[in-house]
Amino acid sequence: ETGVTQSPTHLIKTRGQQVTLRCSSQSGHNTVSWYQQALGQGPQFIFQYYREEENGRGNFPPRFSGLQFPNYSSELNVNALELDDSALYLCASSRLLGDNEQFFGPGTRLTVL
Amino acid sequence: AQSVTQLGSHVSVSEGALVLLRCNYSSSVPPYLFWYVQYPNQGLQLLLKYTTGATLVKGINGFEAEFKKSETSFHLTKPSAHMSDAAEYFCAVSDLKQGGSYIPTFGRGTSLIVHP
Repeated sequence: ETGVTQSPTHLIKTRGQQVTLRCSSQSGHNTVSWYQQALGQGPQFIFQYYREEENGRGNFPPRFSGLQFPNYSSELNVNALELDDSALYLCASSRLLGDNEQFFGPGTRLTVL
Repeated sequence: AQSVTQLGSHVSVSEGALVLLRCNYSSSVPPYLFWYVQYPNQGLQLLLKYTTGATLVKGINGFEAEFKKSETSFHLTKPSAHMSDAAEYFCAVSDLKQGGSYIPTFGRGTSLIVHP
């Protein structure tokens, strides 16, 4: 069984640019969530996707957006990057919407200069 | 709103000593509670979880945690630390959100340092 994978592993961008991060859910999982983990902090919930629709959002501005595809893979897009967007971005999938357990990918380390 | 407090950003123990990582939570409804471990440059791995039933929960790698409702605590323990236990540990709480999903709220993490 393939776990959650994310790409790229590392990324460097400059302020004002746009970035797209990608996630492939664990096989058979239909729900995906994205988290931002700043240095020295716990993960913060960005949003969740279920059946290609956003199904809940944390306290993040609209410049953070996402997509989920029919194969349940997902993208996180961030526009107008700010220095504070530098963080580890984690994707997590769960088998069903109501599952209380999520499986995390290794993350994408984004650095904004 | 739910929240998690992890006491101590760093905990240092000797190899073979008891590990105790503290977690207190607040939640307006019976919570689901989790402990995750994060090794350098990796994602989070679930150590154990409490949903319902027995309040003492056993997880992987010899870790266990006890849910104490009266103290709103879910402390993580391991009788004997191993060098490979050195990592960042996160406590998390979740309850059922509108939309039918469980979204965990994480603590700030505790870095476990194990000395030879």
